Amino acid sequence: GESVGLHLPTLSVQEGDNSIINCAYSNSASDYFIWYKQESGKGPQFIIDIRSNMDKRQGQRVTVLLNKTVKHLSLQIAATQPGDSAVYFCAENGAAGNKLTFGGGTRVLVKP
Amino acid sequence: KAGVTQTPRYLIKTRGQQVTLSCSPISGHRSVSWYQQTPGQGLQFLFEYFSETQRNKGNFPGRFSGRQFSNSRSEMNVSTLELGDSALYLCASSLGSGRGSYEQYFGPGTRLTVT
Repeated sequence: GESVGLHLPTLSVQEGDNSIINCAYSNSASDYFIWYKQESGKGPQFIIDIRSNMDKRQGQRVTVLLNKTVKHLSLQIAATQPGDSAVYFCAENGAAGNKLTFGGGTRVLVKP
Repeated sequence: KAGVTQTPRYLIKTRGQQVTLSCSPISGHRSVSWYQQTPGQGLQFLFEYFSETQRNKGNFPGRFSGRQFSNSRSEMNVSTLELGDSALYLCASSLGSGRGSYEQYFGPGTRLTVT
């Protein structure tokens, strides 16, 4: 069945450094991926998305990379700030409609 | 523009009871999806409603049900509550329904505790 997984539960990063969060997915038919950020007490917030016909997409301070060969997704955050401290989830929208399959999440802690 | 609102924000119920949670999507949005978030299972899709019809359903028992009204507001119901139903229930709304077509906006969630 479909699954999207993360293997790094916690990432501690110095303020100003770059962060990289990784995600593996198992459904080779997946063609649309999203990264979400969830802060304490809030629902997930959309960060950036990418379709399978792309390898890279950039946003403001964030870059998502997609490697379809090894079914791997990553989120890079440039110049990490204290406000970036949160749990980050990758998700796949592989079924009809809006059904999302989420990875397990990575907590990012930014040290001042 | 107001975001997705969920009521109540916190709820405590006893095993065997039932509960109804409410979600008001962003104005103009016609799709509402529900997710369960727990420390052990993470974020899991429950169901999606679009134009008052259930579009997708996740792998949850029949105790979990939902509906959508003509104004796009949605409710989910859990009957015969079990301890394992304790979770954060999240609602997400989007303009439409289509694989990879519409950004989803999440509400703050309802924290359900079953004792």
